[in-house]
Amino acid sequence: NAGVTQTPKFQVLKTGQSMTLQCAQDMNHNSMYWYRQDPGMGLRLIYYSASEGTTDKGEVPNGYNVSRLNKREFSLRLESAAPSQTSVYFCASNGGTQETQYFGPGTRLLVL
Amino acid sequence: QKEVEQDPGPLSVPEGAIVSLNCTYSNSAFQYFMWYRQYSRKGPELLMYTYSSGNKEDGRFTAQVDKSSKYISLFIRDSQPSDSATYLCAMSWGAGGTSYGKLTFGQGTILTVHP
Repeated sequence: NAGVTQTPKFQVLKTGQSMTLQCAQDMNHNSMYWYRQDPGMGLRLIYYSASEGTTDKGEVPNGYNVSRLNKREFSLRLESAAPSQTSVYFCASNGGTQETQYFGPGTRLLVL
Repeated sequence: QKEVEQDPGPLSVPEGAIVSLNCTYSNSAFQYFMWYRQYSRKGPELLMYTYSSGNKEDGRFTAQVDKSSKYISLFIRDSQPSDSATYLCAMSWGAGGTSYGKLTFGQGTILTVHP
């Protein structure tokens, strides 16, 4: 039982390049989330998926797209990376009646 | 004004001290309150979970919620160097799946416990 896994762990992009961050969970959870974490800003929700087949915007969705590929996998795509998207990205999932989330180890992204 | 305010610290205490971490919030609809611990270069992990007002104790950790004051606290007794981490408060308004588990986080408090 690996919980929530994320790939890659670290990535360097040039401005304008695109990439997809991958996330998978093996806890049979319905809901999945993407956050970014910046110094002094806490965790901010980018997009979430309440269940397979649905996605919705969070607090900071601009510049990102998501795909809920199946119940296990939820990917985050940067179509044209900008330096402002330099951050640590966390994926999380929630499957129960409690409002708790389980987080992956994060992806550190540097956009030059 | 942010919905959830948390003093970022940093907070430095000697081993064995009692640590108090706090968050205030403005949304009276919040019902579920959590504390996450995040070690350096790791993902947040759930530490404490409380529904509505009251206290909850788990070993050296006590979580308190005062909804009338919109104030939550985490106390760490007999703090250890292994408690050195960033502590994030989080809260949610929904019940079951209605809020889709969406959480609002504080900025996080950096805690260092020195031997």
